[in-house]
Amino acid sequence: DQQVKQNSPSLSVQEGRISILNCDYTNSMFDYFLWYKKYPAEGPTFLISISSIKDKNEDGRFTVFLNKSAKHLSLHIVPSQPGDSAVYFCAASGSGGSNYKLTFGKGTLLTVNP
Amino acid sequence: KAGVTQTPRYLIKTRGQQVTLSCSPISGHRSVSWYQQTPGQGLQFLFEYFSETQRNKGNFPGRFSGRQFSNSRSEMNVSTLELGDSALYLCASSFENIQYFGAGTRLSVL
Repeated sequence: DQQVKQNSPSLSVQEGRISILNCDYTNSMFDYFLWYKKYPAEGPTFLISISSIKDKNEDGRFTVFLNKSAKHLSLHIVPSQPGDSAVYFCAASGSGGSNYKLTFGKGTLLTVNP
Repeated sequence: KAGVTQTPRYLIKTRGQQVTLSCSPISGHRSVSWYQQTPGQGLQFLFEYFSETQRNKGNFPGRFSGRQFSNSRSEMNVSTLELGDSALYLCASSFENIQYFGAGTRLSVL
């Protein structure tokens, strides 16, 4: 049973436009959410995170939105750049002792075209 | 600070053999987690160690084991390798709810 789902395996956008990557989760015990970016032959790189007590977190070109009632989060990248082309993973963790166990979605391949 | 270091980067083994992978966390990080990445299953949690104790465990068979040393360095061992163990094994060290990943060890089982 997939507890974190990224339903779009791929997304293609033009340079300068907005990229929106989506993620859904089913486990209501998750209270911390993260986005990672991964290039081939490298480990995932942390991008941005959000706690369940917030509904928005912003860091430069990256903004994460959390809708707890819909169990949905999204990552917005504005403006998109060719260097943003990578696989993006959504991850979630629970509280207490399980907050170091991340459950990942299967990733979305973002391609930003010049 | 140096990042998370995993050795070796690539490994080729045959079925039935065993393998040990190593992970050095970011200095000052005491929690180390291990993940397996395969094309079909994505990134799956193996286990997490903190202060030399296994604190969390994923749904993997007992052939997968790990340990952590007093300097927070960690090793992961897979015994009696199967073809399906071919994967990218990632180690992450944690600080304030964020996990920082190494580049991984690519294991191929022939």
